[in-house]
Amino acid sequence: KQEVTQIPAALSVPEGENLVLNCSFTDSAIYNLQWFRQDPGKGLTSLLLIQSSQREQTSGRLNASLDKSSGRSTLYIAASQPGDSATYLCAVGEETSGSRLTFGEGTQLTVNP
Amino acid sequence: NAGVTQTPKFQVLKTGQSMTLQCAQDMNHEYMSWYRQDPGMGLRLIHYSVGAGITDQGEVPNGYNVSRSTTEDFPLRLLSAAPSQTSVYFCASSYNRGWELFFGEGSRLTVL
Repeated sequence: KQEVTQIPAALSVPEGENLVLNCSFTDSAIYNLQWFRQDPGKGLTSLLLIQSSQREQTSGRLNASLDKSSGRSTLYIAASQPGDSATYLCAVGEETSGSRLTFGEGTQLTVNP
Repeated sequence: NAGVTQTPKFQVLKTGQSMTLQCAQDMNHEYMSWYRQDPGMGLRLIHYSVGAGITDQGEVPNGYNVSRSTTEDFPLRLLSAAPSQTSVYFCASSYNRGWELFFGEGSRLTVL
């Protein structure tokens, strides 16, 4: 059974800092990996989607990398802003059905002004 | 473009009552799914559908029923509510296998 772990569970940084969020998974036979953002009381918003054949994806100040062989992904946030404060979740898609996801518990990020 | 719409946003039930959580999407997505989110457990898949008329069980299907009569709608039915079903429920959809997943705003259910 796939297990997804996110470390740290919570992170507090000053505004402007570059930061890395980590995600690890136990079964490397994945179809894709997605990073989501969740604001309090809200649904999840997809940030980046990496297919299993890709190594990284970028969107604005966000960069996500994927290393299938080691079962790891990182989300890099450059020049963090208070508006980046949220919980970030990674989710791994099964190899046989990419839309069936296993989620980590998330990293709660606080960016202080 | 409304995306994924869930109703109701909040609901309180008594043990043994039944209810249906509604989910509709207007993006012509083939894949739809229901997750529940609980503290310390993360999001867990309840049921999913790969297209109209096709549904399958996820990780925690017991106590829940689904149907997919149209591409747009994917309701989740609680047959006899239990306190263990107190949770936040999310509906999500994607265009096709492995595509970006879009979530609704969630439905917060409390079972007394």
